[in-house]
Formats: sequence, structure tokens, C-alpha cells
Amino acid sequence: KNQVEQSPQSLIILEGKNCTLQCNYTVSPFSNLRWYKQDTGRGPVSLTIMTFSENTKSNGRYTATLDADTKQSSLHITASQLSDSASYICVVTDQTGANNLFFGTGTRLTVIP
Amino acid sequence: GAVVSQHPSRVICKSGTSVKIECRSLDFQATTMFWYRQFPKQSLMLMATSNEGSKATYEQGVEKDKFLINHASLTLSTLTVTSAHPEDSSFYICSARDRGERIPYEQYFGPGTRLTVT
Repeated sequence: KNQVEQSPQSLIILEGKNCTLQCNYTVSPFSNLRWYKQDTGRGPVSLTIMTFSENTKSNGRYTATLDADTKQSSLHITASQLSDSASYICVVTDQTGANNLFFGTGTRLTVIP
Repeated sequence: GAVVSQHPSRVICKSGTSVKIECRSLDFQATTMFWYRQFPKQSLMLMATSNEGSKATYEQGVEKDKFLINHASLTLSTLTVTSAHPEDSSFYICSARDRGERIPYEQYFGPGTRLTVT
């Protein structure tokens, strides 16, 4: 069964600190993995996208890693800011003709001053 | 980047009435659009996939007669919630796949519509 699991479910950190979010998946065949940021009451916004051959990708203070062998990904946030408070969703696309998307349940990050 | 808009951003309606939500791709053509609903503290759940000019494909458990989807053009899809009930209250999000696929299989999400049925 194709699944995407994220941990932790929620996280509270102090402003300026770093944090790492985890994503494990069983989706097969694999096409790509994306991390999205979703602010409360808003739609998801793409942060990074990685294909099978990519190990790491950065977008400003966000760095995503992918280990296609172990089917794990992480999102590292550096020097957190209050505006980083949001849900972070891991989404995996399969490589079937339908290119189905499989969503993780998200990690709710709260950055406090 | 590609922009997808939704209208309205939030709507409150009485039980038994119908509500239409619009999803537009503003700067690209979308052959395929997707409709999701999201309950509090949960992830997005795909409701249906619509392709321009053809009938929508609904996910298991989604009533097609209740959630009417029309994808009349390459830039517009509409979701109509018919005879709405309080349990239909949710956050509805659309996404659109770029026909040109500048980034393969990329879906661009709209900002969402908060529906409250009283």
C-alpha cells in the first residue's frame, strides 16, 4: 500500500533554532518527492522537488534530502523565523500514467519568540 | 511562478443551498485540475480529478451528484456543492497541472476556500 508518513506530528522551537522534519514513504514506483509549506487557511506552497537521482536540494533556509534506497526524506530548516510557523507536508508522486500524489499528514511547526 | 486562484476565499451558506467554488489558472493552461478537501489538522484528501472537456473522475466515497465538477476551459474548473449540509463544512483546495509542464507533473495549488454550512 502506498503511504507517506511524517514525523513528528507537531514541533515547537525557539526562534533562531534549527529543526529537521522527517518523511518516510512506501510509494512505488517512485517519481518525485516534494515538500510543501501550508500556512493556516491557505493552500500549500512548494518548497522543493526532488527526483530519484537527487540527494539534496536547497531553497533559502530550507534544505531537503532524499535517500531513495531507504525511502526517506528530511526537511531541515535553518535559523527559524516566526513566519516559518506552518504545516509542512511531504508529497510523493508515483510513476504510473496517472502520476498520483500521496500526501503525508504533515508536521505542524510552531516557532516561538 | 504559476498562479492558481480560487473564489470565493470563504463562504457561509445555509443548509440545503448550493455553493459554487471557482478555480482558475491565471498564467498557464491546465488540462487537468484537482479538487481536495481538508479537515482541521488533517492532510489534503483528493476528491476528484477533472480534465478539460470531459467528465470528472471521482475518488471512492465521493458523491458525484453532490459535488458537481465542471472543467469548461483550460483555465477554469468549478466545484458546486449541492444541497449543502453542516458536515460539508471544510476547506476546499484546487490544484492545476500545467499543460506545458515546465516542471514535470508539477501541481500548483490554489489558496483554498473555507466553506461553512449553518
